[in-house]
Amino acid sequence: NAGVMQNPRHLVRRRGQEARLRCSPMKGHSHVYWYRQLPEEGLKFMVYLQKENIIDESGMPKERFSAEFPKEGPSILRIQQVVRGDSAAYFCASSIYNAGQNSYEQYFGPGTRLTVT
Amino acid sequence: SQQGEEDPQALSIQEGENATMNCSYKTSINNLQWYRQNSGRGLVHLILIRSNEREKHSGRLRVTLDTSKKSSSLLITASRAADTASYFCATGQAGTALIFGKGTTLSVSS
Repeated sequence: NAGVMQNPRHLVRRRGQEARLRCSPMKGHSHVYWYRQLPEEGLKFMVYLQKENIIDESGMPKERFSAEFPKEGPSILRIQQVVRGDSAAYFCASSIYNAGQNSYEQYFGPGTRLTVT
Repeated sequence: SQQGEEDPQALSIQEGENATMNCSYKTSINNLQWYRQNSGRGLVHLILIRSNEREKHSGRLRVTLDTSKKSSSLLITASRAADTASYFCATGQAGTALIFGKGTTLSVSS
């Protein structure tokens, strides 16, 4: 059972270009979360999606950022017209309900490290 | 705003010693989770403790939760060099996003 997969692992973009980050959740998981981690910081929530629905995007910047989780295929985090401040590690997590714990445990991917030059 | 705040920010110990990290949070929670992150890598889930639990063990890990003080501690016993990493606490309600603290950076030297 493969874990959460993210690609690419490293992405370099020039200012003004678009960045597309992909996340494939664990098999059977229908909840996907995107987080951003700046250097020396903890992870900050961006968006929570279920298949074809955005459940909570309260942590996502209003402009230039968008996310989707289509019925088929991976979840995509898209950043348009990237700026240097977008340089960070972007992590995806997927979850499934754990009845024994009455909780949703989140499993994280290895992250995509975006560098904007 | 940060929900969880870990303390200390950095901790350096010798192999074989115990390491204790603390986490405080602000609002009511359903559960609290601890994660480990090795440098430049993703997060590894260590342990989850529910709000109605006070203590939980997993191998060399011991987690306590005090909901009256809104705090949790992670104890790593008999530390090893391989335990060198950043440790984060995260809180959340069922089915919602996790809120992470800034982490404690643990260095274990041999």
